[in-house]
Amino acid sequence: EPEVTQTPSHQVTQMGQEVILRCVPISNHLYFYWYRQILGQKVEFLVSFYNNEISEKSEIFDDQFSVERPDGSNFTLKIRSTKLEDSAMYFCAGVPLAGVRETQYFGPGTRLLVL
Amino acid sequence: AQSVTQLDSHVSVSEGTPVLLRCNYSSSYSPSLFWYVQHPNKGLQLLLKYTSAATLVKGINGFEAEFKKSETSFHLTKPSAHMSDAAEYFCVVTSAYNTDKLIFGTGTRLQVFP
Repeated sequence: EPEVTQTPSHQVTQMGQEVILRCVPISNHLYFYWYRQILGQKVEFLVSFYNNEISEKSEIFDDQFSVERPDGSNFTLKIRSTKLEDSAMYFCAGVPLAGVRETQYFGPGTRLLVL
Repeated sequence: AQSVTQLDSHVSVSEGTPVLLRCNYSSSYSPSLFWYVQHPNKGLQLLLKYTSAATLVKGINGFEAEFKKSETSFHLTKPSAHMSDAAEYFCVVTSAYNTDKLIFGTGTRLQVFP
């Protein structure tokens, strides 16, 4: 099974700071997603991204969040000014070119802690 | 709206005994349903999926799940647990309006005792 990687595995930041979470999908991935899981809560959809544009975003994905694929490989999630409630595990997922969009391949996650 | 309910937050079994992880879904459409597993420090791995074909779905590592529309259930089973099965298991349903968006259950932590 294809492997998606994410960096860093853990990040600690101060409230109000910007963070960038990185995801390296498999090279033939075409659709990309970010999900998050606040400790003790469900995994929640944040955003989907296709053809260098956001396809859909949830109500969680407000103006503090942005995504991009700057170099055609890394897929990043930026939080401009972190809040305490942004502390969560963030998962990236991708779907290959020939894949079914609902069958998503997930990375191991980045645990973000905002102090 | 689509949703899934995982009835047990923790399940403990002895090695070699059957595993049953329960999931009920709510859907006004014919959903696609999945089970994902997460081992410590690993990503979410797809175990199996149901997409309106056979109601009994076989997945990796000996797991299977049966889609029962009358009971709105999609329980995950395995005849004989192995120590390596200890992990967090998530039941997942696709959104009715966008098959990209996955909706997760709260997860069930499976412990396997020797």
